Amino acid sequence: NAGVTQTPKFQVLKTGQSMTLQCAQDMNHNSMYWYRQDPGMGLRLIYYSASEGTTDKGEVPNGYNVSRLNKREFSLRLESAAPSQTSVYFCASGLAVSYEQYFGPGTRLTVT
Amino acid sequence: AQSVTQPDIHITVSEGASLELRCNYSYGATPYLFWYVQSPGQGLQLLLKYFSGDTLVQGIKGFEAEFKRSQSSFNLRKPSVHWSDAAEYFCAVGAYTNAGKSTFGDGTTLTVKP
Repeated sequence: NAGVTQTPKFQVLKTGQSMTLQCAQDMNHNSMYWYRQDPGMGLRLIYYSASEGTTDKGEVPNGYNVSRLNKREFSLRLESAAPSQTSVYFCASGLAVSYEQYFGPGTRLTVT
Repeated sequence: AQSVTQPDIHITVSEGASLELRCNYSYGATPYLFWYVQSPGQGLQLLLKYFSGDTLVQGIKGFEAEFKRSQSSFNLRKPSVHWSDAAEYFCAVGAYTNAGKSTFGDGTTLTVKP
């Protein structure tokens, strides 16, 4: 099992460009999550999906959109990137009933 | 709302010494509590979790944590630290009423001196 995979690993964007971060899990988990990690700020939840077809805003959703394409895949889209979105993005999945989460390796995004 | 505080931003210990990382949480009922570890350039990995029952829980890599309801704490311990334990450690709290979402602390960076 690959666990949680994320693509790309690194990305540099110019202000105003758009891109989609991809995430997939092969553990048959219902819940999937997108976080951003910034120095000294821990992990902040951007969006969350409790099950296929449902999404919910987290703590910092502005500037992002998500799609839960199927049970395996949960993508994060930046429509018009801003320098404030420079961060490391982590996707995670989990069984809601147990609440433990399994993380992907992250995408390091720089917006210039 | 639930919250997590990790009072120590950075801790340095010598290899072979014992370790305790502090975590305090705020939640009205019995929480679900977790410790995760993040090595440089990696994602987070679950070390251990507490849901109910025995308040001393064992995890991977020789770590343990103790849930103390009276102190709203869930401190992580290891009796003898190895150089490979150098990493960032995150405490997290989840709640049944929060539909699977966890709140993470800001993390504690552990440096291990030879």
